[in-house]
Amino acid sequence: EPEVTQTPSHQVTQMGQEVILRCVPISNHLYFYWYRQILGQKVEFLVSFYNNEISEKSEIFDDQFSVERPDGSNFTLKIRSTKLEDSAMYFCASSAPGPHEQYFGPGTRLTVT
Amino acid sequence: AQRVTQPEKLLSVFKGAPVELKCNYSYSGSPELFWYVQYSRQRLQLLLRHISRESIKGFTADLNKGETSFHLKKPFAQEEDSAMYYCALGGLTGGGNKLTFGTGTQLKVEL
Repeated sequence: EPEVTQTPSHQVTQMGQEVILRCVPISNHLYFYWYRQILGQKVEFLVSFYNNEISEKSEIFDDQFSVERPDGSNFTLKIRSTKLEDSAMYFCASSAPGPHEQYFGPGTRLTVT
Repeated sequence: AQRVTQPEKLLSVFKGAPVELKCNYSYSGSPELFWYVQYSRQRLQLLLRHISRESIKGFTADLNKGETSFHLKKPFAQEEDSAMYYCALGGLTGGGNKLTFGTGTQLKVEL
């Protein structure tokens, strides 16, 4: 069964550094999402992406965040200048068009020191 | 604004006992409700959705629009049901389906 994959599984970075989190969605899916979960808190929506552009973003997704689908298979989340409060588990998800199930990746644990 | 409330952080039941995980939502449009489950060290996976009205692993959930609830139920808990359960609310926007999650309920089934 196809799965969403994410790399790396754990990323440690220093405050102020840029990080890129990578995701490979399921191949015939057209909608892509990033969520994050700060330790002990709920899963929060960051951004959705369709047809090579952002379709919706939350208030968390400010100017330091960006997403890209550089090559038709990868879907990336870039954090330009990381802050301590960006430490969280970041989940990628993808879905087929319409009100379909979102398939989640295993997550990337980002630790900002 | 979309909001999902799961009032219990932890629910502990004995094997064979009935389970009910509570979920209430707030949404002005036509809601789409889901239950996701996360077993230990595994990814989030869809357990069931209200639109399909099916029973998965013995779990059912009925959407009650009057009470704005989507409680998850199982008549007889099994040890393998121990996991984190998240209620999620979706709403179609621009063709996508952003999910708003509750805080989750950790279900522990004891022998």
